[in-house]
Amino acid sequence: EAQVTQNPRYLITVTGKKLTVTCSQNMNHEYMSWYRQDPGLGLRQIYYSMNVEVTDKGDVPEGYKVSRKEKRNFPLILESPSPNQTSLYFCASRGQGASHAGELFFGEGSRLTVL
Amino acid sequence: AQKVTQAQTEISVVEKEDVTLDCVYETRDTTYYLFWYKQPPSGELVFLIRRNSFDEQNEISGRYSWNFQKSTSSFNFTITASQVVDSAVYFCASDKLIFGTGTRLQVFP
Repeated sequence: EAQVTQNPRYLITVTGKKLTVTCSQNMNHEYMSWYRQDPGLGLRQIYYSMNVEVTDKGDVPEGYKVSRKEKRNFPLILESPSPNQTSLYFCASRGQGASHAGELFFGEGSRLTVL
Repeated sequence: AQKVTQAQTEISVVEKEDVTLDCVYETRDTTYYLFWYKQPPSGELVFLIRRNSFDEQNEISGRYSWNFQKSTSSFNFTITASQVVDSAVYFCASDKLIFGTGTRLQVFP
């Protein structure tokens, strides 16, 4: 089954304790991306990756890191989480297709609370 | 830069009413795609439709229909005879993966 898998789905942590949210897709997609969803703000892009070893900042990259060592994996790293990073996070992927024509496939979301 | 605006924050209707969700976009591209996604209460994001800028024909899929008008830069989504299961947050998005802020639709029995 084609899917994007995120872990953990739920996490409560404390300020400053490094954490990683993993994301894996089994569709051989080149493009992967991380979003955060906050009330009234919709989905905002954190980082994206066009292919292995190619990553770039989205609209709200501060406080986050990513890596793309393998095509299927795109982990999101919070080196020193802060309460303003409490949010619902989504990983997504898509095939390159023809000029941005492909729809996004989303993971189920990871709800992160930073105390 | 692209921009997607969903001015309706929340809409409430009673079952069987028709409802239209508005989406206005800004782009300087001559060729582009627009998307709608659905986020039901369970939280996942589900792709609904993709339209390209060359095709302004209305699209209909069951009770769902989409009206794409380049003249007004709009890509509106209509649900006919709404049902409780249509209750969700709906996002309009551009091919540059810019999302609107979403419209929460609540359908009451």
